[in-house]
Amino acid sequence: AQSVSQHNHHVILSEAASLELGCNYSYGGTVNLFWYVQYPGQHLQLLLKYFSGDPLVKGIKGFEAEFIKSKFSFNLRKPSVQWSDTAEYFCAVGYGGSQGNLIFGKGTKLSVKP
Amino acid sequence: EAQVTQNPRYLITVTGKKLTVTCSQNMNHEYMSWYRQDPGLGLRQIYYSMNVEVTDKGDVPEGYKVSRKEKRNFPLILESPSPNQTSLYFCASSPTGANYGYTFGSGTRLTVV
Repeated sequence: AQSVSQHNHHVILSEAASLELGCNYSYGGTVNLFWYVQYPGQHLQLLLKYFSGDPLVKGIKGFEAEFIKSKFSFNLRKPSVQWSDTAEYFCAVGYGGSQGNLIFGKGTKLSVKP
Repeated sequence: EAQVTQNPRYLITVTGKKLTVTCSQNMNHEYMSWYRQDPGLGLRQIYYSMNVEVTDKGDVPEGYKVSRKEKRNFPLILESPSPNQTSLYFCASSPTGANYGYTFGSGTRLTVV
């Protein structure tokens, strides 16, 4: 079965620190890649997505992610985090035919200390 | 505003009392899906629908029913809720298929006592 792995369960950073959250997937074919963010008590919102083209994708709120096909990875980065980035981050991988499937990682909780 | 609307946001019910969580989207999306979110388990798909009158089971369908009589609506039905269905539920929609990503509803926190 296809799977998505997020390596860190909980990351704690101080404000202004740089962030990198890992995401690896197991599917060997063509994929669409997503990062979603869930702020406390809220629903999932799309941060960024990759379908094709430039493997470095820029999203909202200063986030970016890089698709490295050879490593089956799609890591999320932000140069300088803020307290307001405290949230849970989910990587998701879409694959398959016309309707396809979307597999979520188990999430990484980010806590940013002011 | 393009959105997925779920109701209610919070619900406390008793074991065995049938309930329905409504979901509606205004984006003319073909694909809709229900997920439950539990600590440590992430998001698990309950049911999905590729279009009107077309539904199929996801990873954890036991104890749930769905229907898709109209394109915009995709209600989740718990015929006889049990405490292990206490969870946070999300409805989501996509233009054509799950592999293109979702717009999520605001969630329904269900407690079954």
